[in-house]
Amino acid sequence: GENVEQHPSTLSVQEGDSAVIKCTYSDSASNYFPWYKQELGKRPQLIIDIRSNVGEKKDQRIAVTLNKTAKHFSLHITETQPEDSAVYFCAAWVRGDTPLVFGKGTRLSVIA
Amino acid sequence: EPEVTQTPSHQVTQMGQEVILRCVPISNHLYFYWYRQILGQKVEFLVSFYNNEISEKSEIFDDQFSVERPDGSNFTLKIRSTKLEDSAMYFCASRTGTGPYEQYFGPGTRLTVT
Repeated sequence: GENVEQHPSTLSVQEGDSAVIKCTYSDSASNYFPWYKQELGKRPQLIIDIRSNVGEKKDQRIAVTLNKTAKHFSLHITETQPEDSAVYFCAAWVRGDTPLVFGKGTRLSVIA
Repeated sequence: EPEVTQTPSHQVTQMGQEVILRCVPISNHLYFYWYRQILGQKVEFLVSFYNNEISEKSEIFDDQFSVERPDGSNFTLKIRSTKLEDSAMYFCASRTGTGPYEQYFGPGTRLTVT
């Protein structure tokens, strides 16, 4: 089955700097890659996603890149703010009723 | 905007007791999921449900677990005889039958087994 690896497990950046979180996946059939932000005690919230027919997607300060050949995808947050502090999870999905397979998460701390 | 809802928000139970966690998916969604998250760990898949039957389940989803969609709106997860290691946050999620593929998560039920 699908396996998703995520790095780093923790990341501290100064406010205004960029943050990059990387994930790799194992199943070449995976074709949808969402990123979720989870604040303490809250539900995972989708912040951006990308499908396998697209190499890059951007939404304001957040961007995701996908390299299908290498089977890895990354989340980029620019101009980080303290409210970006949370745990970020990447995930991969194949089709239909198959579940999302999550990475282990990255705890991002943005230091003011 | 419609949301997935879950009740209760927190459930405390004694080991060996049965618990039922309830979810109301978004009304036009067709795929339903249960995930769990042990404190500080990643979100893990339990079971998916489509067309009134289980479509996939993980190794975690053993005979102690069952799911049901008793009516047109509720989706329940039952744990027959809880164990200490069942303590976790349980999330329900749902999505439409066609694209987009986003799964919408409920707020979760924190289950504490003592």
